[in-house]
Formats: sequence, structure tokens, C-alpha cells
Amino acid sequence: AQKVTQAQTEISVVEKEDVTLDCVYETRDTTYYLFWYKQPPSGELVFLIRRNSFDEQNEISGRYSWNFQKSTSSFNFTITASQVVDSAVYFCALRVGDTGRRALTFGSGTRLQVQP
Amino acid sequence: EAGVTQFPSHSVIEKGQTVTLRCDPISGHDNLYWYRRVMGKEIKFLLHFVKESKQDESGMPNNRFLAERTGGTYSTLKVQPAELEDSGVYFCASSPFGGGSTDTQYFGPGTRLTVL
Repeated sequence: AQKVTQAQTEISVVEKEDVTLDCVYETRDTTYYLFWYKQPPSGELVFLIRRNSFDEQNEISGRYSWNFQKSTSSFNFTITASQVVDSAVYFCALRVGDTGRRALTFGSGTRLQVQP
Repeated sequence: EAGVTQFPSHSVIEKGQTVTLRCDPISGHDNLYWYRRVMGKEIKFLLHFVKESKQDESGMPNNRFLAERTGGTYSTLKVQPAELEDSGVYFCASSPFGGGSTDTQYFGPGTRLTVL
């Protein structure tokens, strides 16, 4: 069975601070995919990034960066110089294998509040 | 290109009534998924269509839930009869044909269902 843990329920920062959202996953599969989604107040889930288990390169996209470490089964997400518009609930998710089963296993989400 | 759309955005019904949720995937996406988030819980997978066929319905909670995707386009999820514990947000997602690294699921805004 798969599991995703987002231990931080809620984080509050002041604008321009850096913030890291933690994600720890569990799976016995050697092939898997990790995702981050953002849920702004409007409610939709917005796709941010997908990483494959065989690609441990970290990724940077503007103010966003992701640190994938298989040794610790973690896929953490850092926002640099946070802005009020970053306020949202962020979900980490896992999909295993390369078979027909494509269900995503989600963490419980981390609510980020960025204060002006 | 239009994203995943869901209708209605909100639905309030009484226990024992029937409700039908609709999802229109991104045009050309063969894969369609239903998920739900009940209050205080993680987002949970319900089922997965490939075109009009149910590929995986392992997450369907019981036989009060019926999902269809006639013609491989839009999908409906019917709850009959609704129970109090069915309250939550129902998300639909779609992804293009193919597996592996091409399978990123794009989510709709969700339908918030309240059963009184």
C-alpha cells in the first residue's frame, strides 16, 4: 500500500519569507511518480509538478523549487520570497507503477497562509 | 483549451434523495477519474475510466454510487440514495491517452455536495 504524509497542517509566514512544505511518501514500487498540486481559495486543484522515481534532479521554476530525495523518501517544495497569492492548500500525491492502475494517493494537504 | 469542468458547483440535498454530478474532461483526454474529499479527510480515489470502460473502480465506497461515461466523453456520478456521510467535495480529473510520464491528471473545480 502507498502512503503520503504531509505533517504540516498549516503554515503561516509573512510575505517575502521563504517556506518549505514537507512531503514524505511510502511505496514498495520502484517505479512511481510524485506530484504537487495547489488548491487556491477558488477550489480547483492546479497541477504544479510531476517527478519520476528514476529522476532525482531537483527542479526550479521561478520562485518554486522541489527537492526529491529517494534516500529519505521525501519530495519537499520550497517557495522563495513568498507572496500573498501563494496562499492556498498544497497537496503532495503519489502514483505507483506504469500499469493500468493510475489512482493518485494524496497527502492530507498543507494550508499556507502568507500575510502581507 | 478548456479545462475540466464540473456541474453543479454546489448541491444541497436531503438524506435519501438522488444526486447526479457531471464532469466534462479536457477535449481528447481518454482517461477520466473521480475523487472525493470528505470533511477532514484526504482526497480519495473513486474510479478511473478509459474512454467508456471502467478501468479501476476499487475506490467506489458502495453500490449507492454509480458512474457512467457513455460514448467516452463526459461522465456522470450518481449517488442514490444519498447518506449524510456522502457530504464532501467530488473532484473529476482527466489525462491524455498513454501512461508513464505522460499521465498527469488535470483536475476540475469540484462539486461540493451537502447531504442534510
